[in-house]
Amino acid sequence: KAGVTQTPRYLIKTRGQQVTLSCSPISGHRSVSWYQQTPGQGLQFLFEYFSETQRNKGNFPGRFSGRQFSNSRSEMNVSTLELGDSALYLCASSLFVRGAFWAGTYNEQFFGPGTRLTVL
Amino acid sequence: GIQVEQSPPDLILQEGANSTLRCNFSDSVNNLQWFHQNPWGQLINLFYIPSGTKQNGRLSATTVATERYSLLYISSSQTTDSGVYFCAVEGTNAGKSTFGDGTTLTVKP
Repeated sequence: KAGVTQTPRYLIKTRGQQVTLSCSPISGHRSVSWYQQTPGQGLQFLFEYFSETQRNKGNFPGRFSGRQFSNSRSEMNVSTLELGDSALYLCASSLFVRGAFWAGTYNEQFFGPGTRLTVL
Repeated sequence: GIQVEQSPPDLILQEGANSTLRCNFSDSVNNLQWFHQNPWGQLINLFYIPSGTKQNGRLSATTVATERYSLLYISSSQTTDSGVYFCAVEGTNAGKSTFGDGTTLTVKP
């Protein structure tokens, strides 16, 4: 079974540009989450999509947006890039199974290799 | 939101030594995972362990959900164990995981 794939792996942009990153989840997984990793802030949650709907959103400005397609593939977009947006962007997919009310949820996440974005 | 604290932040060991990494969290969690991040940035799944104990080779993990902590044990450490270990928890807000700051492990030959 293929793992989570992310494209591109490396990207160099200049301030003010916009960028689109892509994530293909593991086959059958319907939940896709995005995270930003920087040396100063660590791993921070951006947003999560499930069945084409944004279900959760982190504390990031509106310049960060995303979407999910019917095949569960997801894209995130950052507009008007700033130097501080330089980071490793990680995508995770999960099966997300909601059990009976007492059983909770099964939501093991599997991460892709990431896209390393450099903003000059 | 939920707070996650990992300790120690840095750990240096000689090859063959054992170690314990800790993850404390501030609220009830639905799910908890341990990851190892390799030098290229890839997060490798170690354990999915919302409660109980699991073992995989030289690694084992225990989560005591009622006391809000999880432990990762590494026995007979090897240089290839070096890297950053992260704990990630999902609280009652399904689909949103919060990561700790990680423990950077260095194993010297």
